Amino acid sequence: GAGVSQSPSNKVTEKGKDVELRCDPISGHTALYWYRQSLGQGLEFLIYFQGNSAPDKSGLPSDRFSAERTGGSVSTLTIQRTQQEDSAVYLCASSLSFSGGLDTQYFGPGTRLTVL
Amino acid sequence: AQSVTQPDIHITVSEGASLELRCNYSYGATPYLFWYVQSPGQGLQLLLKYFSGDTLVQGIKGFEAEFKRSQSSFNLRKPSVHWSDAAEYFCVNLSNDYKLSFGAGTTVTVRA
Repeated sequence: GAGVSQSPSNKVTEKGKDVELRCDPISGHTALYWYRQSLGQGLEFLIYFQGNSAPDKSGLPSDRFSAERTGGSVSTLTIQRTQQEDSAVYLCASSLSFSGGLDTQYFGPGTRLTVL
Repeated sequence: AQSVTQPDIHITVSEGASLELRCNYSYGATPYLFWYVQSPGQGLQLLLKYFSGDTLVQGIKGFEAEFKRSQSSFNLRKPSVHWSDAAEYFCVNLSNDYKLSFGAGTTVTVRA
């Protein structure tokens, strides 16, 4: 079956612009996760969803970052007023359930964001 | 806070040789540990995980890992590497607030 898909695969934007990154999880997966992978910070956890709810938003780097999930499926990560330090690969993952984070997470290919 | 450390940034190994990737964790109680692999152009894939029980864990692609509480280690091994094993490997633990915390990664190069 289809895995986790993310779009766009690459995004180049100018500093100060807003961007939206999309994640389509595996069908039937109730938990969804966003991560960021950058040279300086490695791979860091941003936020997770159980259904449409995000219980803990403390991993988001700043208030310019927001995420939502609708219909228990697609999720969008929005970055407002992008800065150069936002340049990174943004990864999405999903799992069948949350189970305190123990369920196997399946990762998408990522969106490479470059802020000029 | 719990964390994992991967001491080796880069390892080069000959095809057919054995491979061992080191991972040390800092944690008081038994942690939840994973190894993920990220191949060029592909997404992260789970190789294996340890929660409790048998300390020798078998994973996919011929990998295994051993949890050693006395050494606070969870090293990944493969008896004979293939060129397709060239990738970046991440040791990961699950923190108290249910988030995956990734090590810095070890890049494996396989030479013919």
